[in-house]
Amino acid sequence: GQNIDQPTEMTATEGAIVQINCTYQTSGFNGLFWYQQHAGEAPTFLSYNVLDGLEEKGRFSSFLSRSKGYSYLLLKELQMKDSASYLCAHTGRRALTFGSGTRLQVQP
Amino acid sequence: KAGVTQTPRYLIKTRGQQVTLSCSPISGHRSVSWYQQTPGQGLQFLFEYFSETQRNKGNFPGRFSGRQFSNSRSEMNVSTLELGDSALYLCASSFTGVGNTIYFGEGSWLTVV
Repeated sequence: GQNIDQPTEMTATEGAIVQINCTYQTSGFNGLFWYQQHAGEAPTFLSYNVLDGLEEKGRFSSFLSRSKGYSYLLLKELQMKDSASYLCAHTGRRALTFGSGTRLQVQP
Repeated sequence: KAGVTQTPRYLIKTRGQQVTLSCSPISGHRSVSWYQQTPGQGLQFLFEYFSETQRNKGNFPGRFSGRQFSNSRSEMNVSTLELGDSALYLCASSFTGVGNTIYFGEGSWLTVV
């Protein structure tokens, strides 16, 4: 995705914690979204950060630093069903722009 | 409350043909966006419609077009299909667009042969 960088692939163990990073260009920034996409399915909304700091939602948390153009998604107590692609997206002036996604593989 | 509905789910077309995809947004949502997803390019923004007007447009050729009806339902059309148009086409809706959470439909899988 244009102007958004996130790792292509990550592997983690069931029960562990994993952090997926996302960096973006800060011009025209309005907010940062995280979506989860299982293979062959549509992306589903996970979180939205518009202010700096950490937003926690159960096992998932998302952090934003607007000055650094940086966000991360933290997944705790990983489960096998968390194996999916995680898409970072920011709302610019025109539309929601997505990163290429991070494919997370959770191993037993 | 019903989610975003896209039809058809799967279709196969021949090079040179044209295709029309349909999207019904979540009730009350007035913004509809279209995205193309391919393994190599990820999710690419096509265009966004709000109140029957195209409000934003991505970097796709003129063969890709769309429209929105008064009930917020939207269609996208691709003319003169090319092999590279094979992709998952996702529709997403939100209340007003940029800054609102967008919700995706299941997508339409297009294969061009």
